[in-house]
Amino acid sequence: EVQLVESGGGLVQPGRSLRLSCAASGFTFDDYAMHWVRQTPGKGLEWVSSISWNSDHIGYVDSVKGRFTISRDNAKNSLYLQMNSLRPEDMAIYHCVKDIGAAMTGGYMDVWGEGTTVTVSS
Amino acid sequence: SYVLTQPPSVSVAPGKTASITCGGNNIGSVSVHWYQQKPGQAPVLVISYDSDRPSGIPERFSGSNSGSTATLTISRVEAGDEADYFCQVWDSRSDQWVFGGGTKLTVL
Repeated sequence: EVQLVESGGGLVQPGRSLRLSCAASGFTFDDYAMHWVRQTPGKGLEWVSSISWNSDHIGYVDSVKGRFTISRDNAKNSLYLQMNSLRPEDMAIYHCVKDIGAAMTGGYMDVWGEGTTVTVSS
Repeated sequence: SYVLTQPPSVSVAPGKTASITCGGNNIGSVSVHWYQQKPGQAPVLVISYDSDRPSGIPERFSGSNSGSTATLTISRVEAGDEADYFCQVWDSRSDQWVFGGGTKLTVL
């Protein structure tokens, strides 16, 4: 069974850091690009970041550029999101998502994790 | 950045047809994907590349895309179709994925 399980969410103060992890199973992880997509009740779904199969191509939504870093460890079938200088507007459920292809070429997202909740508050 | 506009809500009676629109500048020139999300669950793809239906998705779900509007159509709506629906495109100019704001489908 194809599965994505996120971890690392929690309550953090504004300006602090958090590292999210995603454990993938049931498919050949290094054959696919991966994404982080966040969701809030008020703003719906928002794409956050993507990484190609070999980490050569990486992208971020403008609001997190310079603060968030996506990475992957294909040997460990894992995806990560390092989030620094967190802001209240970063508060959301963060989903780990699999792409249908290896590169970031605009394909759809075919497998979603249930998500991990990030709360930014003092 | 590219903006996708969806109506916040659509209501339909059981057995009728629901149409959920996704508006964007010349959206007909890019591929649109649609996701269904039920409360407490992760999103599920229901239409890819404007009109392709993944295996396991009922034939009642269809999609179209032309000009400035993409449309997800659900025929013979059932109570189980009640969910939030999101459209998505790839903005190649900015190298970013963009989601619409989502439409809550209510089955009356």
